[in-house]
Amino acid sequence: SYVLTQPPSVSVAPGQTATLTCGGDNIESHSVHWHQQRSGQAPVLVVYDDTDRPSGIPERFSGSNSGNTATLTISRVEAGDEADYYCQVWDSINDHFVFGPGTKVTVL
Amino acid sequence: VQLVASGGGLVQRGGSLRLSCSVSEFTVSGYFMSWVRLPPGKGLEWVAVLYSGGDTYYADPVKGRFTISRDSSRNTLSLQMNSLRHEDTAVYYCARHVLRGNTFDLWGQGTLVTVSS
Repeated sequence: SYVLTQPPSVSVAPGQTATLTCGGDNIESHSVHWHQQRSGQAPVLVVYDDTDRPSGIPERFSGSNSGNTATLTISRVEAGDEADYYCQVWDSINDHFVFGPGTKVTVL
Repeated sequence: VQLVASGGGLVQRGGSLRLSCSVSEFTVSGYFMSWVRLPPGKGLEWVAVLYSGGDTYYADPVKGRFTISRDSSRNTLSLQMNSLRHEDTAVYYCARHVLRGNTFDLWGQGTLVTVSS
């Protein structure tokens, strides 16, 4: 089955930019989605189809996807952005939904 | 728009449990619906999907033991879990898919399942 890789953690100072990566074999051929999960809360979709934002998600969240790496960029990081972030794709061969292992974002 | 999951609890290894997800302000039969779980100390893991046409698919670790279904009259989604294992311990979330899409735009609050050995 399709495998996604993510760095376990990223630390960033308030006001700076956090760059989260999601690796996969030819991932650019997949639509990549990103979910934010704050501690003790349900996940929230923050980016879907590589670059789109659901309504209510700030423009500070943006996505891209090229080659073997998809990226979620959080600009002007705030304390409330501290959470686990999961990339996710659909494995069409097996009709399964695959999550990456998650990246914990810590705001210093 | 809300999804409210219930039915979690403590169960012995080998036992069964049925989770429910009550849906409001949309019809469960009109959307793809999934269950996703979060084991303690680990990451999100997709469990099962029920397509609006009725087809179902399962993650390999639960195939043959779990069954996803819906009750259109009650507008609820269910997950019947049999032959439970310690590694099934997790918070279970019901999730609605983006319309005709391959990700989840609405999540329930989660219900905790603990399988004791």
